Amino acid sequence: GEDVEQSLFLSVREGDSSVINCTYTDSSSTYLYWYKQEPGAGLQLLTYIFSNMDMKQDQRLTVLLNKKDKHLSLRIADTQTGDSAIYFCAERDTDKLIFGTGTRLQVFP
Amino acid sequence: GAVVSQHPSRVICKSGTSVKIECRSLDFQATTMFWYRQFPKQSLMLMATSNEGSKATYEQGVEKDKFLINHASLTLSTLTVTSAHPEDSSFYICSARWGPGNTIYFGEGSWLTVV
Repeated sequence: GEDVEQSLFLSVREGDSSVINCTYTDSSSTYLYWYKQEPGAGLQLLTYIFSNMDMKQDQRLTVLLNKKDKHLSLRIADTQTGDSAIYFCAERDTDKLIFGTGTRLQVFP
Repeated sequence: GAVVSQHPSRVICKSGTSVKIECRSLDFQATTMFWYRQFPKQSLMLMATSNEGSKATYEQGVEKDKFLINHASLTLSTLTVTSAHPEDSSFYICSARWGPGNTIYFGEGSWLTVV
């Protein structure tokens, strides 16, 4: 079955770049997503990438997709304390999403 | 702005009672909606696919008699947790597909606490 994996924790200094990695197994995924979840809150869609793309940039966010290795990453430039949250990657199977385990990003001054 | 709305955002109910959570698509029609559940500090797991006008499709291991899903209109799906128990306490969130990119959007989620 489909499986999406992420590292559980990432700690970075304010102002540095953060890179959150994700691996997935379903090569037929059409879209891959990144969501942000702050404590006690719902899911905020950050960005998504279509499977025929290898990079997408949106302001401070850069998504890289390596289809051959089934590897997805989210780079956050100039990380701020407000970026502290859990980040979920998800692959899309028709219209349902398979979520990764989530990466807790902690930003320290 | 939000394209999928859930209500209530937080609910506390007594053990043994039933509670209903609503998921609405705002200004668009959603023939299919999805219900997910998130345990504390865990990822989201798909519970069921809600199909307008027909029965929901449940994922393996999800009790359909306990988690009743009704999708009576193109803009509303409801999840009813019947005979709730403390282990049903969780974060429940719905999603729907919308927009030219067929992006999946999530509701704000509903925190259920069963006491």
